[in-house]
Amino acid sequence: QKEVEQDPGPLSVPEGAIVSLNCTYSNSAFQYFMWYRQYSRKGPELLMYTYSSGNKEDGRFTAQVDKSSKYISLFIRDSQPSDSATYLCAMRGNNAGNMLTFGGGTRLMVKP
Amino acid sequence: NAGVTQTPKFQVLKTGQSMTLQCAQDMNHEYMSWYRQDPGMGLRLIHYSVGAGITDQGEVPNGYNVSRSTTEDFPLRLLSAAPSQTSVYFCASRLTGESGSNQPQHFGDGTRLSIL
Repeated sequence: QKEVEQDPGPLSVPEGAIVSLNCTYSNSAFQYFMWYRQYSRKGPELLMYTYSSGNKEDGRFTAQVDKSSKYISLFIRDSQPSDSATYLCAMRGNNAGNMLTFGGGTRLMVKP
Repeated sequence: NAGVTQTPKFQVLKTGQSMTLQCAQDMNHEYMSWYRQDPGMGLRLIHYSVGAGITDQGEVPNGYNVSRSTTEDFPLRLLSAAPSQTSVYFCASRLTGESGSNQPQHFGDGTRLSIL
């Protein structure tokens, strides 16, 4: 079993929809949780960064962390065609080198 | 500001050949790392470095070597290429120290490598 599980999709939604992306994990030592967006043939770029449990909002994006359930979510409100990309969750504990463990990514398509 | 620059963007190798993937950053970041990305596997850490002269292994280091002679450059060497090393390789960098642990990693745009 992978340490971080993520549904690969693809997830197809109409423009303006609310999108929910999720990851589950097994390592209780993870404390820092991130969401990266990756466009085709580009490197990942950081969208959201959260420490421990709780919610964090940034514009149309909201990240939620539930450490008791080992479950994290990214919500995108009023989705746009430009949001079409692969979304990767990543997390780490206070390990040597602060190594990140990534999920496999969910491909999102927002149709006009 | 170029950020993280990777070269080449594409490469095809024959089994047994060696090559070096180049990575350079101009942000004076101490921490640099190499990942490989395979379908459905996410990104897996190969090697990382917390500063010039210091390197360490990540999750999947076998078949790869790294060195860090300067802050700016962190090349990845494939010693004897194998088909299992066909992948997309990403280099990343960030700050270290107290402020660095909460800093985002900046990724290059990747090198697409095929081993025949």
